[in-house]
Amino acid sequence: DAGVIQSPRHEVTEMGQEVTLRCKPISGHNSLFWYRQTMMRGLELLIYFNNNVPIDDSGMPEDRFSAKMPNASFSTLKIQPSEPRDSAVYFCASSLDLATSFHEQFFGPGTRLTVL
Amino acid sequence: DAKTTQPTSMDCAEGRAANLPCNHSTISGNEYVYWYRQIHSQGPQYIIHGLKNNETNEMASLIITEDRKSSTLILPHATLRDTAVYYCIVRVHILTGGGNKLTFGTGTQLKVEL
Repeated sequence: DAGVIQSPRHEVTEMGQEVTLRCKPISGHNSLFWYRQTMMRGLELLIYFNNNVPIDDSGMPEDRFSAKMPNASFSTLKIQPSEPRDSAVYFCASSLDLATSFHEQFFGPGTRLTVL
Repeated sequence: DAKTTQPTSMDCAEGRAANLPCNHSTISGNEYVYWYRQIHSQGPQYIIHGLKNNETNEMASLIITEDRKSSTLILPHATLRDTAVYYCIVRVHILTGGGNKLTFGTGTQLKVEL
């Protein structure tokens, strides 16, 4: 299995531009999580989906951020317009979330976003 | 979810056991203890979890005190590749599907040296 795939791995953009981060979860996993990591705030959960439905988006910082999961094998996190304070590493994770047992979260390699 | 307290950093000699403590004095009866680690520039990686019994797998052992107010992650023979930030997380495992989010604290930076 290729694991969780994220693209791009690095993104440099200018303030005001739209940024789209992409994630392909592990095949068969039904939960998907988006995290953001900065030196100041550590690793924060932004939003997570279960069976393609957003369950909790309370961590999304503001309306400039949006996330979609159109099908079980693809999710996007979009920032529009981007700001320098959005610079961070964004991680996607997936897990097999069943009511009957524990399943670990598998993290992707992350996308390092720099907004100039 | 219960709050956890971990030392900011620890050092360990290669080949020795690394014992990483975690305090969770407000843990409730149905909350599990999870450990993840994050090697520099990589995404976090699951290590182990437990409720009240000690647990062991191929990566580590988890020792939970009888009152469950603290736990210790043990890497029996630390190597340089174990240098990472180790996160102790306490939370309920929700048995309804779709609710198992993780809240990461600041963790312990473990440095394994020759």
